[in-house]
Amino acid sequence: QMQLQESGPGLVKPSETLSLTCTVSGGSFSSYYWSWIRQSPEKGLEWIGYIFHSGVTRSNPSFESRVTISVDTSKSQFSLKLTSLTASDTAVYYCARAGGFRPAFDIWGQGTRVSVSS
Amino acid sequence: DIQMTQSPSALSASVGDRVIITCRASQSISGSLAWYQQRAGKAPKLLMYSASGLQRGVPSRFSGSGSGTEFTLTINNLQPEDFATYYCQQYAAHPPWTFGQGTKVEIK
Repeated sequence: QMQLQESGPGLVKPSETLSLTCTVSGGSFSSYYWSWIRQSPEKGLEWIGYIFHSGVTRSNPSFESRVTISVDTSKSQFSLKLTSLTASDTAVYYCARAGGFRPAFDIWGQGTRVSVSS
Repeated sequence: DIQMTQSPSALSASVGDRVIITCRASQSISGSLAWYQQRAGKAPKLLMYSASGLQRGVPSRFSGSGSGTEFTLTINNLQPEDFATYYCQQYAAHPPWTFGQGTKVEIK
């Protein structure tokens, strides 16, 4: 049974960069979209971006150029970097898997709460 | 971006009731729609894919229908564990994939 687990800091300062890692256990990276999604009371569920197993990445244009998603298949991990943080980036961040053929998010991590504050 | 609008935003229902939640897309998404259930403090859980496909392990009292721009999630014989917030999500076009704002199902 595949499981995803997010890790990273719970508190980050404004203007700094958030780095989160998702560790995948119980399966392989092949043929899936590995996504980051966040949730806040103000914006609800918001898809941030994905990395496909081939290494192709796409991100939500609303984040402009602040998002970088990468993968380390040797460690079964994929990562998110979000730059130039503001208070509006405070949210619960989830990693999730979506199928390559039918990209609904069928497996989610438990989520990690990130606060942006000085 | 494709906007997803759910109605109602919240509803009250009793155990045993039938509940219907509607999701509208700002443009046609064919059948590329998923539904999720989120209990308090937990990650969303996939219930339905392709508008009407029941995810493995999800009880058959959940059903979905629709295509194009209008979709519904129906919960028959509402159970205590079904009190949660439900979200629709389109995956027809990206970036970005987008979610509805959620429908909270509360106990009457």
